[in-house]
Amino acid sequence: EAGVTQFPSHSVIEKGQTVTLRCDPISGHDNLYWYRRVMGKEIKFLLHFVKESKQDESGMPNNRFLAERTGGTYSTLKVQPAELEDSGVYFCASSQAGTLHFGNGTRLTVT
Amino acid sequence: QKEVEQDPGPLSVPEGAIVSLNCTYSNSAFQYFMWYRQYSRKGPELLMYTYSSGNKEDGRFTAQVDKSSKYISLFIRDSQPSDSATYLCAMSRGSGNTGKLIFGQGTTLQVKP
Repeated sequence: EAGVTQFPSHSVIEKGQTVTLRCDPISGHDNLYWYRRVMGKEIKFLLHFVKESKQDESGMPNNRFLAERTGGTYSTLKVQPAELEDSGVYFCASSQAGTLHFGNGTRLTVT
Repeated sequence: QKEVEQDPGPLSVPEGAIVSLNCTYSNSAFQYFMWYRQYSRKGPELLMYTYSSGNKEDGRFTAQVDKSSKYISLFIRDSQPSDSATYLCAMSRGSGNTGKLIFGQGTTLQVKP
């Protein structure tokens, strides 16, 4: 089976610009998670979808971040406007029950 | 104070050595304990998964959980150069959202041939 796929693998944008990250979960996985790792820190939970519904968005840092999962398939995470502190690696993970399967992440650099 | 503490290393060992990786945590509500391995530019990959206290063995890997001490360990026997990676401990409270993980910072391991 295909794994969790994330696009792009790397994005470099200027402060104030908008970036949209995409995650394609494993087919049939209802649960989709976004995590983020900023440099020097641990990986941190951002939010959790069950199908198209946001189950838990307690980790979203502020209202510049918007996550969607239309139709309960792929998900997007938009950052608008981007700030320097948003730089890091954004991971997506999916599961049906139990084990999380992570994608390889999108490395975001805000200059 | 972080909920999960993990020494980032780096840890360098010769091939064949026994490796011990550890995490401590502060929240007694954690019920599920995991170890992930992450290679450079890749996503975390689940290695071991333990519910509550006890030991679990899988090949060269052994995971231990001591809830009374709030301490978890991963042992790697007969370490190989291919084990060189970052090892992340992770925990969750369960209760309907076992996927909401709290990670340690990760320990970078290098196994030298």
